[in-house]
Amino acid sequence: EDKVVQSPLSLVVHEGDTVTLNCSYEVTNFRSLLWYKQEKKAPTFLFMLTSSGIEKKSGRLSSILDKKELFSILNITATQTGDSAVYLCAVDTGTASKLTFGTGTRLQVTL
Amino acid sequence: NAGVTQTPKFRILKIGQSMTLQCTQDMNHNYMYWYRQDPGMGLKLIYYSVGAGITDKGEVPNGYNVSRSTTEDFPLRLELAAPSQTSVYFCASIHSPTKLNTGELFFGEGSRLTVL
Repeated sequence: EDKVVQSPLSLVVHEGDTVTLNCSYEVTNFRSLLWYKQEKKAPTFLFMLTSSGIEKKSGRLSSILDKKELFSILNITATQTGDSAVYLCAVDTGTASKLTFGTGTRLQVTL
Repeated sequence: NAGVTQTPKFRILKIGQSMTLQCTQDMNHNYMYWYRQDPGMGLKLIYYSVGAGITDKGEVPNGYNVSRSTTEDFPLRLELAAPSQTSVYFCASIHSPTKLNTGELFFGEGSRLTVL
């Protein structure tokens, strides 16, 4: 059975801190790994990673994939209260682009 | 573009009732999906479709049915609703794996269903 595990489950930080969110996976077939941010409603797309060692960056967010060790990290620097959300990691197992999701990391950024 | 539109946004059902969650997309995406999300959990795949007339089961299909008569529409039918089906349901779509596919799954806003 395909599995995606995220850690920590939840995290409370102060504004300005840097956080690292972890995602490990065990799947029979790997096409890509995706990160989504979920606030109150539907998830919104952050990154898609397909190759090891290549960092994807968008503003204060960055992510990298290690296909040998089967994990990815999402870094957020200089956190802001608007970063408070659940961050979901998902793996595209290649068949019809179906995604297997982790349970998410709930990040709360306080003043 | 409207993107992915789901209706209704909220619904309360009694045990044993049936209903259909509607989903339509205007991006000409081949692939469509229904996911459910229970509190504090990630999303689990219920059913998916790779094109009109083709549907297949996901991870948690029991108690649900789908159809895909057109590229745009992918309704999810709940028969004999049970409390275990209380959840938030998301419809999503994406292009098939071509250069048009950036990996971004487009989600509807979700339908919160409560079965009492």
